[in-house]
Amino acid sequence: GAVVSQHPSRVICKSGTSVKIECRSLDFQATTMFWYRQFPKQSLMLMATSNEGSKATYEQGVEKDKFLINHASLTLSTLTVTSAHPEDSSFYICSQSPGDSQETQYFGPGTRLLVL
Amino acid sequence: RKEVEQDPGPFNVPEGATVAFNCTYSNSASQSFFWYRQDCRKEPKLLMSVYSSGNEDGRFTAQLNRASQYISLLIRDSKLSDSATYLCVVNKGDYKLSFGAGTTVTVRA
Repeated sequence: GAVVSQHPSRVICKSGTSVKIECRSLDFQATTMFWYRQFPKQSLMLMATSNEGSKATYEQGVEKDKFLINHASLTLSTLTVTSAHPEDSSFYICSQSPGDSQETQYFGPGTRLLVL
Repeated sequence: RKEVEQDPGPFNVPEGATVAFNCTYSNSASQSFFWYRQDCRKEPKLLMSVYSSGNEDGRFTAQLNRASQYISLLIRDSKLSDSATYLCVVNKGDYKLSFGAGTTVTVRA
């Protein structure tokens, strides 16, 4: 069964609105969570890493004020795309590592965002 | 230079054929290596880890060449269900994964 869930699975929004994506761990407590973005026919690109109880670490080129990450608990992380623009349209995927192994990552099913 | 580079393919093979492809990575300090499978519009799923001595999992064989910094995946006796994009993934040692753009394999009846 699924280890990580994401909600919503797809969202269409107007330019300028904010979109929140939830990532939940179903089977374990995740001390570390990762957010990726994938454009069509491209590789997954890591956006940020968050550890429960501390601020997220953003990869170079990713605006922390635009992509707000909240590692609310050991089972929930949220990514908010603020003031979304069409170029933010992408496939957003979270992954989580169980506390005993950061090498093992379980991916959520992804959220497809389309900004009109 | 990209951290992980793969031949995008596509590799179109008949059922029962053997297909193999490689990827190269740029960071010689990379410590862990994986092959993931991604179906169209879905999340990646771990296919297998790649060990220094090479390893096999059923019809799938993975090899690692640290000196040349490449990883290979070989699929024997291809099934229709093997059609997917195969992602080469490298862990640089800081628990962050670097993904290749994927190699597309299509197995035809």
